[in-house]
Amino acid sequence: NAGVTQTPKFRILKIGQSMTLQCTQDMNHNYMYWYRQDPGMGLKLIYYSVGAGITDKGEVPNGYNVSRSTTEDFPLRLELAAPSQTSVYFCATSGGTGGAEKLFFGSGTQLSVL
Amino acid sequence: AQSVTQLGSHVSVSEGALVLLRCNYSSSVPPYLFWYVQYPNQGLQLLLKYTSAATLVKGINGFEAEFKKSETSFHLTKPSAHMSDAAEYFCAVKAQAGAGSYQLTFGKGTKLSVIP
Repeated sequence: NAGVTQTPKFRILKIGQSMTLQCTQDMNHNYMYWYRQDPGMGLKLIYYSVGAGITDKGEVPNGYNVSRSTTEDFPLRLELAAPSQTSVYFCATSGGTGGAEKLFFGSGTQLSVL
Repeated sequence: AQSVTQLGSHVSVSEGALVLLRCNYSSSVPPYLFWYVQYPNQGLQLLLKYTSAATLVKGINGFEAEFKKSETSFHLTKPSAHMSDAAEYFCAVKAQAGAGSYQLTFGKGTKLSVIP
């Protein structure tokens, strides 16, 4: 079992470029989350999904978009990259009713916007 | 809104010494609390969780945490630090995300260094 797989692991973008961070899970979990981690700031929730076709904003959604067409995939899209989006991005999944009982994390994508 | 505050962004202990990482919570309802650990260049993994069944919770790798309602605390301890415990530790609380769904709200993290 691969668990939660994120690609790419590293990426450098120029200001204004766009990209998609990929997240795939094989755990058949309904709940999926995107967090960003900045040094000394902990993790902030960007978007989450409670199942295929259903997504909602978290604490810091500006500048990002998501989609959830299948249970397995939850890509995060940056349309116009800005230096403030330099961060480490983590995808996580959770099963159970309501989610968030135990989160399983991917290994992260380190993004630099220059 | 539920939140957690971790006291101390960086803690250093000697190998074999007691580890104490502090977390205080704010919640208007009985909280579900968690400790996660992040090793370098990895995602977070669950150490332990409190879901009101018992106030002393034992987790993996010899860690435990005690829920103290009177102090609104959920501090993480380990009697004897090992070099492999060097990592960043995050306290988290389960919080409402949408109708019938939840997310974890994380503290800012405490980086633990273990001195040989």
